[in-house]
Amino acid sequence: QKEVEQDPGPLSVPEGAIVSLNCTYSNSAFQYFMWYRQYSRKGPELLMYTYSSGNKEDGRFTAQVDKSSKYISLFIRDSQPSDSATYLCATPTFNDYKLSFGAGTTVTVRA
Amino acid sequence: GAGVSQSPSNKVTEKGKDVELRCDPISGHTALYWYRQSLGQGLEFLIYFQGNSAPDKSGLPSDRFSAERTGGSVSTLTIQRTQQEDSAVYLCASSFGNANTGELFFGEGSRLTVL
Repeated sequence: QKEVEQDPGPLSVPEGAIVSLNCTYSNSAFQYFMWYRQYSRKGPELLMYTYSSGNKEDGRFTAQVDKSSKYISLFIRDSQPSDSATYLCATPTFNDYKLSFGAGTTVTVRA
Repeated sequence: GAGVSQSPSNKVTEKGKDVELRCDPISGHTALYWYRQSLGQGLEFLIYFQGNSAPDKSGLPSDRFSAERTGGSVSTLTIQRTQQEDSAVYLCASSFGNANTGELFFGEGSRLTVL
């Protein structure tokens, strides 16, 4: 079983829609969760970071962790064409340096 | 420079040739990571450096792969006798702190195509 599994997508939504991205993780001991955004032909960049469970909001982005179901989510409100990218969930698993990434979900926001 | 710099950005090589990929991390970042990203796959961890030491090389796919870091700065990933399955984007990242709470800063990657 992979440490992090991500809904494969791709997703195509109209501008202004809410985008919902989801991952599951394998071990309830994992504490830190990240969402990275990767534009085409670029390296990933950290978008959101959460510790333990609950919600974290940053502008139009909300990251959510449900430890009871080992589920992490990213919501994008009022999506814009500039949000078109691949979104990767990640967690450091059992050490403090090796991030385990989901396969990524490619999102296209249509103008 | 302001960010992580990788070279070459693109490399096309013939099967069996050796390639070297270079990473210049952000100044002052002690941790450096190499990841591989194949089409439709997530990022696959290859190796981690803390300073010039590599405490975890567990992700290197075979003994054809090696990496070094000198002066606590520049790192080189070497692939010997390249195979077609080595075709991927090789991403380098650096960080000041650890991955738990420190942000990993990625370069734009070196896209390797093995013919």
